[in-house]
Amino acid sequence: ETGVTQTPRHLVMGMTNKKSLKCEQHLGHNAMYWYKQSAKKPLELMFVYNFKEQTENNSVPSRFSPECPNSSHLFLHLHTLQPEDSALYLCASTIGGTQNTEAFFGQGTRLTVV
Amino acid sequence: QKEVEQDPGPLSVPEGAIVSLNCTYSNSAFQYFMWYRQYSRKGPELLMYTYSSGNKEDGRFTAQVDKSSKYISLFIRDSQPSDSATYLCALFGGSNYKLTFGKGTLLTVNP
Repeated sequence: ETGVTQTPRHLVMGMTNKKSLKCEQHLGHNAMYWYKQSAKKPLELMFVYNFKEQTENNSVPSRFSPECPNSSHLFLHLHTLQPEDSALYLCASTIGGTQNTEAFFGQGTRLTVV
Repeated sequence: QKEVEQDPGPLSVPEGAIVSLNCTYSNSAFQYFMWYRQYSRKGPELLMYTYSSGNKEDGRFTAQVDKSSKYISLFIRDSQPSDSATYLCALFGGSNYKLTFGKGTLLTVNP
């Protein structure tokens, strides 16, 4: 295990549902990330939190809403998603600040929007 | 031009073969170069990390960086079925302090 835990591992939701993805890291890191991984595409950075402050929102639609209550926890709130949002959502953490080279990833949440 | 280009494969080799995986990049501000390995249904894990031109060896794995050509490679010697995974190059640098990933190359090593 990498020290980054994501729940749930799998999620199927309808387009009108509201759900949340959870990420927890036990590494003492200060930066946390949400990535989207779709087939045949590079990992897409969605959001970055550095010392609990959101430092990047990579033009993500508002139906995705991140929350970082402390350095160890990160959430991604989902509502009124589209089928094209089906993907593997990965959480990662790094030391933080400018030392963001080595990222530790969770196992991901496989999301299917029906 | 995309910042990082990586041939997605798939690549299929027999056990014991030498595997060569490659990425090219366009932004000379990238300073750190990494290879991640991702097994099916798992998150990526860091495999190799280097910041200078030249070769870095770790067991059966060699990472090679050519900054003048903006080209990075990962070589796997004596490949094993357990090496079957997706390999992603990742580059870090510039003023935005974030990792930029390639698409990943799916490798299958056949026994």
